[in-house]
Amino acid sequence: AQSVTQPDIHITVSEGASLELRCNYSYGATPYLFWYVQSPGQGLQLLLKYFSGDTLVQGIKGFEAEFKRSQSSFNLRKPSVHWSDAAEYFCAVGARSGGSNYKLTFGKGTLLTVNP
Amino acid sequence: DGGITQSPKYLFRKEGQNVTLSCEQNLNHDAMYWYRQDPGQGLRLIYYSQIVNDFQKGDIAEGYSVSREKKESFPLTVTSAQKNPTAFYLCASSIRTGLPPYEQYFGPGTRLTVT
Repeated sequence: AQSVTQPDIHITVSEGASLELRCNYSYGATPYLFWYVQSPGQGLQLLLKYFSGDTLVQGIKGFEAEFKRSQSSFNLRKPSVHWSDAAEYFCAVGARSGGSNYKLTFGKGTLLTVNP
Repeated sequence: DGGITQSPKYLFRKEGQNVTLSCEQNLNHDAMYWYRQDPGQGLRLIYYSQIVNDFQKGDIAEGYSVSREKKESFPLTVTSAQKNPTAFYLCASSIRTGLPPYEQYFGPGTRLTVT
């Protein structure tokens, strides 16, 4: 079964600083990988996704993520953080689950605080 | 506008009562999902449905039930058998054909409080 680990529960950065959120996955085949963002009390919004091709993926809001198969990682990055980026970030891996069923497995999330 | 609607946003119930959470989508997606979110626990899958009149248990299905009579609707019932029902519940949908990956689109969530 697939699994996702987000090692950092809470990260604090200053506005304008760079950001990297870590994600490690476990899956036997080529994974489908996603990053989502959630503002307090809201649903999740997709930032970016990866399945194949270029290992550096660009997403919305200036985010990017790099897939590294050798490290089973899919880390999220942003060169300059804005105060509005404060939110919780979830990494997820998608996989087939019996026949044609398909589901996502989410990490426990990383809460990002941005200091002015 | 296409999207997923969950109602109500806040729901309060007394212990021992069943309660049904609504989820409607107009994205024409075949697959729909219910997740439970607790602080520090991420999202845990309760039930999912790939087509009408068919659904599968997720990782934490005990104490919950669902139905999928229409493509657009996937209501979740939290029964009195669910030992700790107070949580934030999220509904999602996705396509299930064509080339993957199949990203999921999420509703705004329903916060259920049982006292």
